[in-house]
Amino acid sequence: QSALTQPASVSGPPGQSITISCTGTSSDVGGYNYVSWYQQHPGKAPKVIIYDVSYRPLGVSNRFSGSKSGNTASLTISGLQAEDEADYYCASYTSSTTYVFGTGTKVTAL
Amino acid sequence: EVQLLESGGGFVQPGGSLRLSCAASGFTFSNYAMTWVRQAPGKGLEWVSGISSSGSSTYYADSVKGRFSISRDNSRNILYLQVSVLNTDDTAVYYCAKGLTGGYYYRIDSWGQGTLLTVSS
Repeated sequence: QSALTQPASVSGPPGQSITISCTGTSSDVGGYNYVSWYQQHPGKAPKVIIYDVSYRPLGVSNRFSGSKSGNTASLTISGLQAEDEADYYCASYTSSTTYVFGTGTKVTAL
Repeated sequence: EVQLLESGGGFVQPGGSLRLSCAASGFTFSNYAMTWVRQAPGKGLEWVSGISSSGSSTYYADSVKGRFSISRDNSRNILYLQVSVLNTDDTAVYYCAKGLTGGYYYRIDSWGQGTLLTVSS
């Protein structure tokens, strides 16, 4: 199972919106609504910020939103803040009953 | 509050074995699927294995199938990962994670802090 494809880095000035893409296939992202997004700060454990494509867990800022079109899922961070600087990973359930992560994206607030 | 505390990591020689544990508290452990995810130093996340709430269904990444075994003790609220035939590529921080429901290990809602396994001669 190959990793889902994400851009290596995305940046933007504070206050701007940025979008991270996550491209898979019809056997994973495109075939199921079980796409999640995780935020990981350096030296910390990951934290789920989006599950089932577009649902936010309690306590997660509404500046984070998720969507999906075909084989590509997207995470949008609105009103980028310095605290949003972190690595972001998408992940999806697959037709092989396995789970695959994306390659990861480093977000920087310029 | 959900708490997941991994333990059992350390140094092991290539070809060796180890058992990782994840002690769960703050929720009814037997009602939720669980999963193991690892992260090699400086690398991305890699799913390793998942298990249903009852333990009757288990799932593995191709990279560990036949070498790793996931299990759980619902009477003691502990998740295990038996790792064997280790090689240097298995060096990573191993995280346990809690599922949102009983049957879907891939719908994760909480993570532990991880335990480091280093495979080296």
